[in-house]
Amino acid sequence: EAQVTQNPRYLITVTGKKLTVTCSQNMNHEYMSWYRQDPGLGLRQIYYSMNVEVTDKGDVPEGYKVSRKEKRNFPLILESPSPNQTSLYFCASSQSGGANQPQHFGDGTRLSIL
Amino acid sequence: QQPVQSPQAVILREGEDAVINCSSSKALYSVHWYRQKHGEAPVFLMILLKGGEQKGHDKISASFNEKKQQSSLYLTASQLSYSGTYFCGTGANDYKLSFGAGTTVTVRA
Repeated sequence: EAQVTQNPRYLITVTGKKLTVTCSQNMNHEYMSWYRQDPGLGLRQIYYSMNVEVTDKGDVPEGYKVSRKEKRNFPLILESPSPNQTSLYFCASSQSGGANQPQHFGDGTRLSIL
Repeated sequence: QQPVQSPQAVILREGEDAVINCSSSKALYSVHWYRQKHGEAPVFLMILLKGGEQKGHDKISASFNEKKQQSSLYLTASQLSYSGTYFCGTGANDYKLSFGAGTTVTVRA
């Protein structure tokens, strides 16, 4: 089954404790991206990757890092999480350029930073 | 910069029609539409590309005015399953997508 898998689905942690949210897709998609969703603000793009080893900033990249060492994986790293990063996070992928192909979303990861 | 969606919310009875609008201050390459049910991931509905190409569901219709940088999604003869939050996403180039704040649609029997 074609899917985007995120882990963990839920995480409660404390300020400053490094964490990684993993994202994996099995569709051989070139493009992957991370979004955060907050009430009233919709989906805001954090980072995106056009292909292996090629990443770029979205609209809200501060406090986040990403890497794309393999085509299928695109982890989101919070090196020193803060409470304002409490949010619902979605990973998405598409065949090629993100603006001209449908985005396939994962089920989301709810992060709470205390 | 995020596109602006209107209205923020709409309540319909089954069978009624509604229009959701999306506008951007930037020249657009593409407009996406997604629907999200509570507690679920957004699901793709449609893409409209500069030049007139469209990809998406047969039962969903939308328009894209490239000159005005605006798009509209048309919900026709609404069903209970149409309830959810609708997001437009705009692309000014091949790779970067910006989403609006969403329009919550409630369809009642």
